[in-house]
Amino acid sequence: DIQMTQSPSSLSASVGDAVIITCRASQGIRKDLGWYQQTPGKAPKRLIYAASTLQSGVPSRFSATGSGTEFTLIISSLQPEDFATYYCLQHNSYPWTFGQGTTVE
Amino acid sequence: EVQLVESGGGLVQPGGSLRLSCSASGFTFSSYSMHWVRQAPGRGLEYVSTIRANGDDTFYAEAVKGRFTISRDNSNNTLYLQMTSVRPEDTAVYYCVRLANGDYWGRGSLVIVSS
Repeated sequence: DIQMTQSPSSLSASVGDAVIITCRASQGIRKDLGWYQQTPGKAPKRLIYAASTLQSGVPSRFSATGSGTEFTLIISSLQPEDFATYYCLQHNSYPWTFGQGTTVE
Repeated sequence: EVQLVESGGGLVQPGGSLRLSCSASGFTFSSYSMHWVRQAPGRGLEYVSTIRANGDDTFYAEAVKGRFTISRDNSNNTLYLQMTSVRPEDTAVYYCVRLANGDYWGRGSLVIVSS
């Protein structure tokens, strides 16, 4: 199975800060990766697909890069509604695997 | 509007069985692979299973392989997850998910495995 190592597990930030979250795959997954945001009590919401493509309706302060084994999610200027937990998901091969999550607080 | 509505969750004893259902509407259900994802209380997201659009191919996480069975009824736009030999660690909210051509999640169905 492909392992996804996400870091950090949590981070403390303030409104206006830039935030960077990374995911590393245990083997190459091309660009078969998505980034998800989850707030307490709600279903996850996809922010990014195909490693770097912004999902429709997602603010442009979210961006992402990467391919192969290294992936990065960037929030350029943190807004109050961005305090949440973020996950990466690889869908290159089954079983799909999520990163462990990063809580932005 | 795409809607995914899970049902069938509840309290089940260890070793018991439960079947989750997901009723889909607002799209051509038979055209899409569908997935189950779960989240234990206070924990992260965990992939559970996938079934291809025609139902011919299925995939499972190692943690549930041999115990859970994913299936679908394309004539009734319904996805299923048959859970057998359940364990306390299967306690979670189970989400029905479509991830192609958009991102659609149900609200989840809570399964509690406890004696």
